[in-house]
Amino acid sequence: DTGVSQNPRHKITKRGQNVTFRCDPISEHNRLYWYRQTLGQGPEFLTYFQNEAQLEKSRLLSDRFSAERPKGSFSTLEIQRTEQGDSAMYLCASSPLAGVGEQYFGPGTRLTVT
Amino acid sequence: QKEVEQDPGPLSVPEGAIVSLNCTYSNSAFQYFMWYRQYSRKGPELLMYTYSSGNKEDGRFTAQVDKSSKYISLFIRDSQPSDSATYLCAILNRDDKIIFGKGTRLHILP
Repeated sequence: DTGVSQNPRHKITKRGQNVTFRCDPISEHNRLYWYRQTLGQGPEFLTYFQNEAQLEKSRLLSDRFSAERPKGSFSTLEIQRTEQGDSAMYLCASSPLAGVGEQYFGPGTRLTVT
Repeated sequence: QKEVEQDPGPLSVPEGAIVSLNCTYSNSAFQYFMWYRQYSRKGPELLMYTYSSGNKEDGRFTAQVDKSSKYISLFIRDSQPSDSATYLCAILNRDDKIIFGKGTRLHILP
C-alpha cells in the first residue's frame, strides 16, 4: 500500500498523559500536513512541513502540541498533558510540492481523552 | 463570515437520482477548489481538484466552479448507495493551506 499511513488508529488516554502519533506520507511527497477534525466539522489545519522544515503552525496548536519530521520522511505529533478538549480525529496528509492542493489523507488517529 | 460555507445536511436522495452538493466561499482570490469524500471513521479522499471556473468531469462526478458568484458545486449522476458519505468542499488559500467546509452528509436510499 503506497498511501498515507497513520499509527495508532485509536488512542484512549487519561487526562494529563502525553501521547504521540506517527504519520508516514506517500514517499515522493515533499509536504506533510497535520489536521484535527471534530464531529460534524471539516478538518482544521494544525501545521505543515516541507521536507524537514516546519513552515507554519496554526493558532490552534497550543504549546502542548509539538510536531517533528526528522529527515523529511515520517512525522510525529505529540500532545503533552492531554485535556478532554483534545479528543478528536488527528489527520495527516501529504502532497507533492508542485500540487499542494492535491493532498492525500491517511486514515487518521482517533484520540479519546478520559 | 466563514471562508467556506456548506450546508451540513443530511441530504437523502433515492438511488439513481442526480445529487447536487454546493458551497460558497468568501474570498474572490481563491483559485483552487477541491471536493473530498469521507466515509464514517475514515480519512477524507480527494475526489476532484479544479483550478478554473467551469466544469470538470470525472466519471459520474462533475465539479463546477462559478467564480463570479463564489459558488462551487459537485454533481453525482446515477447515484449509488456506496456514494453515501460526507462530502467536503475545500479551497486552497494563498498560504497553501486547505480550508474545508463542514461537510454535507449524503444518504442514497436503495
